[in-house]
Amino acid sequence: GQQLNQSPQSMFIQEGEDVSMNCTSSSIFNTWLWYKQDPGEGPVLLIALYKAGELTSNGRLTAQFGITRKDSFLNISASIPSDVGIYFCATDYGQNFVFGPGTRLSVLP
Amino acid sequence: ETGVTQTPRHLVMGMTNKKSLKCEQHLGHNAMYWYKQSAKKPLELMFVYNFKEQTENNSVPSRFSPECPNSSHLFLHLHTLQPEDSALYLCASSLQINTEAFFGQGTRLTVV
Repeated sequence: GQQLNQSPQSMFIQEGEDVSMNCTSSSIFNTWLWYKQDPGEGPVLLIALYKAGELTSNGRLTAQFGITRKDSFLNISASIPSDVGIYFCATDYGQNFVFGPGTRLSVLP
Repeated sequence: ETGVTQTPRHLVMGMTNKKSLKCEQHLGHNAMYWYKQSAKKPLELMFVYNFKEQTENNSVPSRFSPECPNSSHLFLHLHTLQPEDSALYLCASSLQINTEAFFGQGTRLTVV
């Protein structure tokens, strides 16, 4: 099946720092989604991207659909403690979505 | 609150038990999904229903049996599970196949 790679696997940052993570694939896709999962909860949709080059913001979060359509990026500005969690990318594959393995974010006070 | 509700939130069951997980959505979505999330593994798609019809079964063992009586409800019937089936089981729905999915909070299943 299709595999997505997310980088980094985990990161520890200081509160107030900016965060960057990405999701890559060897195939071209039409949609990129970014989800966040808090411990013990289901993933929550953060941002959806539908067009190559598209840049979309949701508060302190900004995501971009890569020009090559093989990758996507998520940035978080001025991190706060509640940003802690696992961030998943997902993309359309056939009739369904495939998810990346996630980036685990820890924010140190 | 995403509009997708799963019950129970936690479940402990023996290997000989039969139990069911329930998922309900009031978003007017037509597609519903079951995912399995194990520690340190990507989300695994188990079943897909589109307009109450099962469209995908990702080689899931028969001890997991889905049921979709209508577009708003989805069940996962469990019987004779194994300890390695312990995981977070997530239900999701989307307006139609291949549109963004909204997840429930999941059922944390432990098989003893």
